[in-house]
Amino acid sequence: EAGVTQFPSHSVIEKGQTVTLRCDPISGHDNLYWYRRVMGKEIKFLLHFVKESKQDESGMPNNRFLAERTGGTYSTLKVQPAELEDSGVYFCASSHEGQGYYGYTFGSGTRLTVV
Amino acid sequence: GEDVEQSLFLSVREGDSSVINCTYTDSSSTYLYWYKQEPGAGLQLLTYIFSNMDMKQDQRLTVLLNKKDKHLSLRIADTQTGDSAIYFCAESMAGKLIFGQGTTLQVKP
Repeated sequence: EAGVTQFPSHSVIEKGQTVTLRCDPISGHDNLYWYRRVMGKEIKFLLHFVKESKQDESGMPNNRFLAERTGGTYSTLKVQPAELEDSGVYFCASSHEGQGYYGYTFGSGTRLTVV
Repeated sequence: GEDVEQSLFLSVREGDSSVINCTYTDSSSTYLYWYKQEPGAGLQLLTYIFSNMDMKQDQRLTVLLNKKDKHLSLRIADTQTGDSAIYFCAESMAGKLIFGQGTTLQVKP
């Protein structure tokens, strides 16, 4: 079984530019999550999809961040325009419905650097 | 509030035991987790413990849970250089994970 795939693995962009991160969850996983770790701090929840619907987006920092999951398969997280404080590692995770308590499967993350 | 705290750094010698500590805030958390992140890799679920358990052992790993004090620990016996990584404690809350800052474990040969 393929794991959770994220790309790009690294992205360096200038302040004000737009970046789109992509996550391919494990096939058949209805739950998809985005988390991020900023500047060596704790990993923070951003949002949770169940299939194509946003179940919880309470962690999204502001309206410069837009997440989509069209068709309930892969997801994208767009940052527009990017600011310096958006630098960090963005993790995606997925789980089967009802199995989130056993821990999600995380991807390797996208390291975003805004300069 | 949502707060999971860990010490930031631990250094041990190869063959010694490592103990990584964590405190959490939500007494209603059903599960508590330990994740490991090796350099350049994603978060790997190491182990989890159900909140009605005091201890869970899995090979070299021992998880201790003190629910009264909201304290979780991970003990790694016979620590190896391959155990060098960042270890994150996490609690589940309303369907999402609340993580600590991570403890960097350095294993010296």
